[in-house]
Amino acid sequence: GAGVSQSPSNKVTEKGKDVELRCDPISGHTALYWYRQSLGQGLEFLIYFQGNSAPDKSGLPSDRFSAERTGGSVSTLTIQRTQQEDSAVYLCASSLGYPRETQYFGPGTRLLVL
Amino acid sequence: DAKTTQPPSMDCAEGRAANLPCNHSTISGNEYVYWYRQIHSQGPQYIIHGLKNNETNEMASLIITEDRKSSTLILPHATLRDTAVYYCIVRALAFGNEKLTFGTGTRLTIIP
Repeated sequence: GAGVSQSPSNKVTEKGKDVELRCDPISGHTALYWYRQSLGQGLEFLIYFQGNSAPDKSGLPSDRFSAERTGGSVSTLTIQRTQQEDSAVYLCASSLGYPRETQYFGPGTRLLVL
Repeated sequence: DAKTTQPPSMDCAEGRAANLPCNHSTISGNEYVYWYRQIHSQGPQYIIHGLKNNETNEMASLIITEDRKSSTLILPHATLRDTAVYYCIVRALAFGNEKLTFGTGTRLTIIP
């Protein structure tokens, strides 16, 4: 079956512009997670969805970052007024949810803010 | 979640078994050991996980010591495509503990 997909695969934007990153989880997976990975760094947790609700937004780095999930499926991560430090690979993962929580990752979106 | 310690890098000859160690001496009874790997420029790939029994799947075997303070991931016949950073993660499955915390991992290089 299809894995987690993300789009776009690459995004170059100018400082100050807004960007939207999309994640399509594995069909039937109720839990969805966003992480980011800066160059040469480890993965940083951003936000977690169970269904359409986000019980844990603790990792969002600032109020410029927001995410939503509709229909219990597709999720969008939005970064407003992008800054150069937002440049990173944004990774999405999904799982069947507690207690079968093995997370499967997508290929990521590489964001470059100029 | 308990802290893990892995060697920063390892080499393994192609066709040989690659044995990647992980220390997790403060692991709790309800914490699982997960292994992921990340091939350059790709998202992390799930490999295997276990609680206390040894586990095997089509990718690898996971050997957990009886006291659960350490484990070893075994790739039985390493190929060049197994060159990646391997992450050992200890995690309790519970509501409110959904995020994965990746350490620095072991950079495994398969030598032709």
